[in-house]
Amino acid sequence: DTAVSQTPKYLVTQMGNDKSIKCEQNLGHDTMYWYKQDSKKFLKIMFSYNNKELIINETVPNRFSPKSPDKAHLNLHINSLELGDSAVYFCASSRPTSGLYEQYFGPGTRLTVT
Amino acid sequence: GIQVEQSPPDLILQEGANSTLRCNFSDSVNNLQWFHQNPWGQLINLFYIPSGTKQNGRLSATTVATERYSLLYISSSQTTDSGVYFCAVPISGGYNKLIFGAGTRLAVHP
Repeated sequence: DTAVSQTPKYLVTQMGNDKSIKCEQNLGHDTMYWYKQDSKKFLKIMFSYNNKELIINETVPNRFSPKSPDKAHLNLHINSLELGDSAVYFCASSRPTSGLYEQYFGPGTRLTVT
Repeated sequence: GIQVEQSPPDLILQEGANSTLRCNFSDSVNNLQWFHQNPWGQLINLFYIPSGTKQNGRLSATTVATERYSLLYISSSQTTDSGVYFCAVPISGGYNKLIFGAGTRLAVHP
């Protein structure tokens, strides 16, 4: 029954590795997002997809690559992980961006890079 | 770009007390969301409130869009209210891109 789910919940890995985080929503929404929360709890948007099309691409290192296989899924792949990538990554979804709709967030994935 | 400021940054309450959290934004907005991030890190939707007043149990929120602020009221606080409260507004024409405030960290003591 979880509306927005993410896997894994925790991810501990070493510098230089490549990792992926998966997100799925069962709300029937067309738009999905990735946000990053840093150690000071500051939340900032990274990417957004609408119906599998990338519509928001903030200033994020190109080591981060989102992929949306269908409108219910949005994955985040990170190459060559760095210490500064340690953060909590949240997935969110909403109805289409043609209007301004409420966003619903997943439980977050805590990434620790050692 | 739009600035979102929350106050106070930190708040300590005794259980049963009331409090008001404030969110100021620098530009006109079409909607606003309040979230509670609990101690386990979950972001919980509290209110979606472009304007006016909404109530949900002990919590209520008021947004005065023309004056560019929103208030979150917590009455008869409980220890489970502890956590960080965020407000967020979308950038106009920005594909519903939410800009978050820095949050108000609330600790409710028994």
